[in-house]
Amino acid sequence: EAGVAQSPRYKIIEKRQSVAFWCNPISGHATLYWYQQILGQGPKLLIQFQNNGVVDDSQLPKDRFSAERLKGVDSTLKIQPAKLEDSAVYLCASRDGYTGELFFGEGSRLTVL
Amino acid sequence: AQSVTQPDIHITVSEGASLELRCNYSYGATPYLFWYVQSPGQGLQLLLKYFSGDTLVQGIKGFEAEFKRSQSSFNLRKPSVHWSDAAEYFCAVAIPNDYKLSFGAGTTVTVRA
Repeated sequence: EAGVAQSPRYKIIEKRQSVAFWCNPISGHATLYWYQQILGQGPKLLIQFQNNGVVDDSQLPKDRFSAERLKGVDSTLKIQPAKLEDSAVYLCASRDGYTGELFFGEGSRLTVL
Repeated sequence: AQSVTQPDIHITVSEGASLELRCNYSYGATPYLFWYVQSPGQGLQLLLKYFSGDTLVQGIKGFEAEFKRSQSSFNLRKPSVHWSDAAEYFCAVAIPNDYKLSFGAGTTVTVRA
């Protein structure tokens, strides 16, 4: 079974530029999450989708971050404009609806200069 | 809201020695509890989880954890560590039937020969 796919793995941008991350969850997983992991910290939830609808985006900095899951499968997380403090690993996870287990992708590491 | 504390930022252990990682949570009832491992450049992998029932939980890679309600703890143990156990370990908590994870800050484990 294929895991959660994320791209790009690494991205370096200047502050005020924009960036987009893509996630393809495990087939059949209706629930998808984006987490932000700053160096030295645990992952922090940014947004949760159920199919193509947003369940929880209370921790998403909506002035610069946006996310969508238009067809209920792939998802994109965008940052525009980026700030230095957005340097982090962005983790995508999808949830097995039967066991509740979350499966994480390898993450997209963003460096903002 | 629920929260997780991992008191140890970094632990160094000799190969073959035992390992115990501490985790304390804050929540008004019994939450769902998880331990994840993250190797450098990798995503998070679930080691074990506790939902209810037997308070001693067995996981993958020879790990186990014990839920102690009276101490609000869910400590992770391994009797004999291998060099491949060097990684970062995260404890996480979720409200029952709501699988949004809140993570601790993590404990980095170094294994010396």
